[in-house]
Amino acid sequence: DIVMTQTPLSSPVTLGQPASISCRSSQSLVHSDGNTYLSWLHQRPGQPPRPLIYKIFNHFSGVPDRFSGSGAGTDFTLKISRVEAEDVGVYYCVQATQFPFTFGQGTKLEIK
Amino acid sequence: EVQLVESGGGLVQPGGSLRLSCAASGFTFSSHWMYWVRQAPGKGLVCVSRIETDGRTTSYADSVKGRFTISRDNAKNTLHLQMTSLRVEDTALYYCVRGWSGAFDLWGQGTMVTVSS
Repeated sequence: DIVMTQTPLSSPVTLGQPASISCRSSQSLVHSDGNTYLSWLHQRPGQPPRPLIYKIFNHFSGVPDRFSGSGAGTDFTLKISRVEAEDVGVYYCVQATQFPFTFGQGTKLEIK
Repeated sequence: EVQLVESGGGLVQPGGSLRLSCAASGFTFSSHWMYWVRQAPGKGLVCVSRIETDGRTTSYADSVKGRFTISRDNAKNTLHLQMTSLRVEDTALYYCVRGWSGAFDLWGQGTMVTVSS
């Protein structure tokens, strides 16, 4: 199975400041079809995860522009340009290149 | 409204069985791969099974292989997960999830499965 490792596991951030989460995979996520199936989810307490980003950097509908995804191969990053109060919760990266699809451990974003 | 609604969770003894269902609405169910993803209390997310659009191809995580069976009824827009030989470690919130473009793009609210004596 592909292991997904996120850092940091906890990120205290000041409102209006940027935040960054790293996700590293144990092997390349480039699929045989040429796509890289790395996506990001956000989960608030008591809620199901909400999809943010797909195929590294593409936004799902309704996701604010302050969220951006980047990376390639085995190293990926989710950035929030200016953290807002509604951004608190846990962020997960997930790979869908090889089954079983696997998630990172999650990064808890909290406000300082 | 585009949504997924799970049902069928509950309390079951170790070794018991449960059948989860997921009712899909508001989209063309038969066009999407579907998944079951679980989350143990206070823990992360684990994809346990997937099923192709026509139901002929299925896959399972090693932890549930041979015990769980995923199926779908495209005429009724319904996804199922038959769970047998349940273990304490299967205790989790089970989400029905839609796949799209290599991502999980629509999640239900989940149904809780508790395995305990």
